[in-house]
Amino acid sequence: TQLLEQSPQFLSIQEGENLTVYCNSSSVFSSLQWYRQEPGEGPVLLVTVVTGGEVKKLKRLTFQFGDARKDSSLHITAAQTGDTGLYLCAGAIRSARQLTFGSGTQLTVLP
Amino acid sequence: ETGVTQSPTHLIKTRGQQVTLRCSSQSGHNTVSWYQQALGQGPQFIFQYYREEENGRGNFPPRFSGLQFPNYSSELNVNALELDDSALYLCASTLTSGANVLTFGAGSRLTVL
Repeated sequence: TQLLEQSPQFLSIQEGENLTVYCNSSSVFSSLQWYRQEPGEGPVLLVTVVTGGEVKKLKRLTFQFGDARKDSSLHITAAQTGDTGLYLCAGAIRSARQLTFGSGTQLTVLP
Repeated sequence: ETGVTQSPTHLIKTRGQQVTLRCSSQSGHNTVSWYQQALGQGPQFIFQYYREEENGRGNFPPRFSGLQFPNYSSELNVNALELDDSALYLCASTLTSGANVLTFGAGSRLTVL
């Protein structure tokens, strides 16, 4: 069974601050995805990383895939209130039909 | 291009009852997956359907079953509902079989009393 642990579980910060969310596993994944989910909505894909050590930037968001493809991080610079939401990491194994999701990090950005 | 639509958005059932949830895939997507998301948790994979057949299943009992129709729409059926079945049920479609890039619907919120 592949498990993904996310930390922190809850994060409340002021607008303009920086933050990092972590996603760790003992399993190796062929790719890892990050989603954001808002209340009453399904998760929306932010990024997919597939190569160990890969770093992807999406405006103020920076995603990193660990060298061993077991962990990942999401860094947000100068957080805005619109960044509020549940951030989920999800790992895929090439032979599998499913994504394995972490339990999520609930981010609240205060004005 | 329409996204993934699910119905109903909310419903309340009692223990022992049966429920059917429906999903229309995004146009052009032939694979649909269902996930269960309990409150405060990440989604958990229930099963995937491709070309009207189940081709992957998570750790869920047989009372969770599904169907995919020729137009790629799908149903999730849950028999003998239990209190722990209370959750958000998410449908996601993809272009091809596999984990790939999922497009999720907004979900059906099931409450079992």
